[in-house]
Amino acid sequence: AQTVTQSQPEMSVQEAETVTLSCTYDTSESDYYLFWYKQPPSRQMILVIRQEAYKQQNATENRFSVNFQKAAKSFSLKISDSQLGDAAMYFCAYRSAPVNNDMRFGAGTRLTVKP
Amino acid sequence: EAGVTQFPSHSVIEKGQTVTLRCDPISGHDNLYWYRRVMGKEIKFLLHFVKESKQDESGMPNNRFLAERTGGTYSTLKVQPAELEDSGVYFCASSQRGGKGSYEQYFGPGTRLTVT
Repeated sequence: AQTVTQSQPEMSVQEAETVTLSCTYDTSESDYYLFWYKQPPSRQMILVIRQEAYKQQNATENRFSVNFQKAAKSFSLKISDSQLGDAAMYFCAYRSAPVNNDMRFGAGTRLTVKP
Repeated sequence: EAGVTQFPSHSVIEKGQTVTLRCDPISGHDNLYWYRRVMGKEIKFLLHFVKESKQDESGMPNNRFLAERTGGTYSTLKVQPAELEDSGVYFCASSQRGGKGSYEQYFGPGTRLTVT
């Protein structure tokens, strides 16, 4: 079974600085998708960034980028120029290749942004 | 476009009582998923509907949980009778079936269930 591990229950970053959230996963599959979701306080979860396993290039979305290391089964999220609005719970998630499959999530990392 | 909505946002019930959670997916989304997060732990998959059919219910913890999706629109998740360990946040998500962009699941805000 696929498992996702987020080893950092809490992280904090100074506004305008950079922070990296860690995620590792375990799978025997070769084709899959990885995601980072953000859940701000009292708000719903939204997709931050996704990575297809067959792509070697790391995904980027504005200030958000990932470091995808397929052989190491690592998928970290880097947030550059952190903003107060980035404060949230971040979940790393895995999904097998068939597009309708369910997601497997990590336990989450709570990010605090200090002004 | 309206997002995924869930009702209620919070529910506090006593052990042994019944609670029904509702999820309205994004219009036109055939896939509907239920997940649960117990405090401090990972979000776990419960089940998956494709339209009105249960595609995968391998994550349902036991037969006290009953999910339905009549007509392939909104879904309900009933817990009867509720136990203390059922407390947590129940998320619903929906996605399109096939085609471009179908791999993104859109999540609702969740229902926080507290069983006392």
